[in-house]
Amino acid sequence: GENVEQHPSTLSVQEGDSAVIKCTYSDSASNYFPWYKQELGKRPQLIIDIRSNVGEKKDQRIAVTLNKTAKHFSLHITETQPEDSAVYFCAASKGSGGYNKLIFGAGTRLAVHP
Amino acid sequence: NAGVTQTPKFQVLKTGQSMTLQCAQDMNHNSMYWYRQDPGMGLRLIYYSASEGTTDKGEVPNGYNVSRLNKREFSLRLESAAPSQTSVYFCASNRNRGWETQYFGPGTRLLVL
Repeated sequence: GENVEQHPSTLSVQEGDSAVIKCTYSDSASNYFPWYKQELGKRPQLIIDIRSNVGEKKDQRIAVTLNKTAKHFSLHITETQPEDSAVYFCAASKGSGGYNKLIFGAGTRLAVHP
Repeated sequence: NAGVTQTPKFQVLKTGQSMTLQCAQDMNHNSMYWYRQDPGMGLRLIYYSASEGTTDKGEVPNGYNVSRLNKREFSLRLESAAPSQTSVYFCASNRNRGWETQYFGPGTRLLVL
């Protein structure tokens, strides 16, 4: 079955710097790759996603890139702010049929220091 | 809209006790999911229900049962709790389509002694 590996497990940056989180997946049939942000004690919330027919997607300070050949995708956060501090999860899915089973990475704890 | 709600928020059980975690959504979603979250292991799928009346196993179904009571409600039951089931449990839902966002509930923190 699908396996998603996420690196690094922790990331510490200064406010204003960029942060990059990388994920690799094993199933070449996966075609949907969302990123979730989870603040301490809160529920995971989708921040951006990308489908396999797109190589890059941006939303203000957040961007995601996908390399299908290498089976990896990355989250890029520019001009980081203290409120970006959270745990970020990548996930992959084949999106088969009428529902999608998401396989999550282990998470990256991002700390943004003022 | 309340979105996805879960009860209880926190529960302490003794080994061997049983309990049911409740989940409800008011977004008219067809698909619902139960995950557990353990430190350093991300979110792992326990069971899911693609539509009312259907349920299927996820990655870690052992020790759990589920019931899709109606379109709105999806419950998770621990028949005989074990310390290994200490975790945070999240319910999620989305529309019955492959590339739809999953919306998560606030979670239930379960401690099994």
